[in-house]
Amino acid sequence: EAEVAQSPRYKITEKSQAVAFWCDPISGHATLYWYRQILGQGPELLVQFQDESVVDDSQLPKDRFSAERLKGVDSTLKIQPAELGDSAMYLCASSLGGESSYNEQFFGPGTRLTVL
Amino acid sequence: AQSVTQLGSHVSVSEGALVLLRCNYSSSVPPYLFWYVQYPNQGLQLLLKYTSAATLVKGINGFEAEFKKSETSFHLTKPSAHMSDAAEYFCAVTLSNDYKLSFGAGTTVTVRA
Repeated sequence: EAEVAQSPRYKITEKSQAVAFWCDPISGHATLYWYRQILGQGPELLVQFQDESVVDDSQLPKDRFSAERLKGVDSTLKIQPAELGDSAMYLCASSLGGESSYNEQFFGPGTRLTVL
Repeated sequence: AQSVTQLGSHVSVSEGALVLLRCNYSSSVPPYLFWYVQYPNQGLQLLLKYTSAATLVKGINGFEAEFKKSETSFHLTKPSAHMSDAAEYFCAVTLSNDYKLSFGAGTTVTVRA
């Protein structure tokens, strides 16, 4: 069964350091999402890609976060410098996109980030 | 903008008892509604979805939900809880003209033996 892959699964870093997360969506899925999930809360969308283009990054803290999907397949989310408040689960999801009647998103296992 | 409210951040049930998780939505246009389950340190798995077809939706693992437009609700139920149902459950909404998912805060379910 096709799955969304993410790495690393866990990351511990010190504040002011740079961190990067990687996501490989389900093959053929044009739309890719990055979410941040703070402990005890629901996921919040950070950025949405349609192929290699950013569709929505309105909630991405652009002073320290960046995301790219250069070839429209896998994607990287970077934080530089990391702050204590960035400790969270970072989830990647993908969907077929396009003119479907609904947009079922398939989630990866997430990367648990701890900033010390 | 659309949103969902999950009533109750924690629910505790006995094994074999009814599980009822409440979700109310706010939307200015017909919504699509979803329930996801998340086990510790894992991603979200889709339990079921409502996409304007039948109002009673059956999902995986014996769960079902009913869309009630008059009550703006989409409550999740399972007749008989199993120990493996212990997890966090999220209700989510998206609009037919906007594919962004908005999640509720989640409800943690514990199952007592």
